[in-house]
Amino acid sequence: SAVISQKPSRDICQRGTSLTIQCQVDSQVTMMFWYRQQPGQSLTLIATANQGSEATYESGFVIDKFPISRPNLTFSTLTVSNMSPEDSSIYLCSVTPYWRSNTGELFFGEGSRLTVL
Amino acid sequence: GESVGLHLPTLSVQEGDNSIINCAYSNSASDYFIWYKQESGKGPQFIIDIRSNMDKRQGQRVTVLLNKTVKHLSLQIAATQPGDSAVYFCAHSGGYNKLIFGAGTRLAVHP
Repeated sequence: SAVISQKPSRDICQRGTSLTIQCQVDSQVTMMFWYRQQPGQSLTLIATANQGSEATYESGFVIDKFPISRPNLTFSTLTVSNMSPEDSSIYLCSVTPYWRSNTGELFFGEGSRLTVL
Repeated sequence: GESVGLHLPTLSVQEGDNSIINCAYSNSASDYFIWYKQESGKGPQFIIDIRSNMDKRQGQRVTVLLNKTVKHLSLQIAATQPGDSAVYFCAHSGGYNKLIFGAGTRLAVHP
């Protein structure tokens, strides 16, 4: 399986600040996605991270709040901007490796747990 | 660990019993369905998947059933063990390789 490393694994942030989460995969992948999981909730897709171009955002998520980069096939970042307590969540990077590209299976990182005070 | 599943519906079973977790989906065009298990403090892990041209698929101790007529998916776990305690999510394809996740069910296995 693909090994996905996320940094930071957890952080406590002050209101109004921004934090960038990094996602590194140990093999080339076709698709990379960012999900949010609010406390006690299911996973909600934020955006698809497109290599070398702007991310594709889902309804309710905008680039100004969640800028995303994907400079190559194995790395992506998600920034949570101007944070408020409502942004306290687990943010999860997920990927589809090349060898599973004919399916829809996603592999997930361990997540980055953000608490905004 | 984190409070994953704190507000989710809970299924409580005795160790050794069979568990059935249900899920409804809305997109009749979805052609791929998948079950994930999420333990506290971890990311979701793949359990089993099924394509829309199938009604049933079996894995090791797990079976997924798909009823496209009523847009219903179920996960059956045989001889449930304490290590099966986790939150279980169904997901279905949402186009462009995206997965859309269901609400989730917390499975609590009691000795």
